[in-house]
Amino acid sequence: QVQLVQSGAEVKKPGASVKVSCKASGYTFTSYDINWVRQATGQGLEWMGWMNPNSGNTGYAQKFQGRVTMTRNTSIRTAYMELNSLRSEDTAVYYCAREPPDGSGSFYNWGQGTLVTVSS
Amino acid sequence: DIVMTQTPLSSPVTLGQPASISCRSSQSLVHSDGNTYLSWLQQRPGQPPRLLIKKISDRFSGVPDRFSGSGAGTDFTLKISRVEAEDVGVYYCMQATQFPLTFGGGTKVEIK
Repeated sequence: QVQLVQSGAEVKKPGASVKVSCKASGYTFTSYDINWVRQATGQGLEWMGWMNPNSGNTGYAQKFQGRVTMTRNTSIRTAYMELNSLRSEDTAVYYCAREPPDGSGSFYNWGQGTLVTVSS
Repeated sequence: DIVMTQTPLSSPVTLGQPASISCRSSQSLVHSDGNTYLSWLQQRPGQPPRLLIKKISDRFSGVPDRFSGSGAGTDFTLKISRVEAEDVGVYYCMQATQFPLTFGGGTKVEIK
């Protein structure tokens, strides 16, 4: 079955960077886009951007432009999201989600989430 | 950015009774390709979100038929025909018609 397995929780200091991984299985990795969505504790969902694992093309929400980078390694079926210049407001659970390449925003499957805590 | 507004914030429901959640967008969600990219997600406590409905009313694989979506333009509704205990959680609408993708604030469904 389709699975997206994310890397473990991280604790970072303000100003540092974090790189979260999302390993895919059960489907053709390059046939579906990967989106990243975050959720602060007790809060709603916030879309960060998407990546096409086949081409490597990306699109980022304006809010994260210049601070986020989404990449992939197709040989190990893994997508990555790196966020730089971390601040306390970046403390959240980060999710990857699989989307068909039709731009429908239908997030078929989600990873289990990775808690990133930013604290001095 | 398109603002998605959900009502109510919270919906206490008796088991077996219906529930309804409204989602309104700040502008039409009809895409230039003619599709309306409005989805509904369910997030059970401690779990990642799960896709229920895509493109207004298209139930995703494995989703019980007690869930249904309707609407057009800027006004959309998710209905649960008979609430079961496993339906407890927060429900979000999401638009993908225009970047950035945006979510409603969520509606908490709980059992009375």
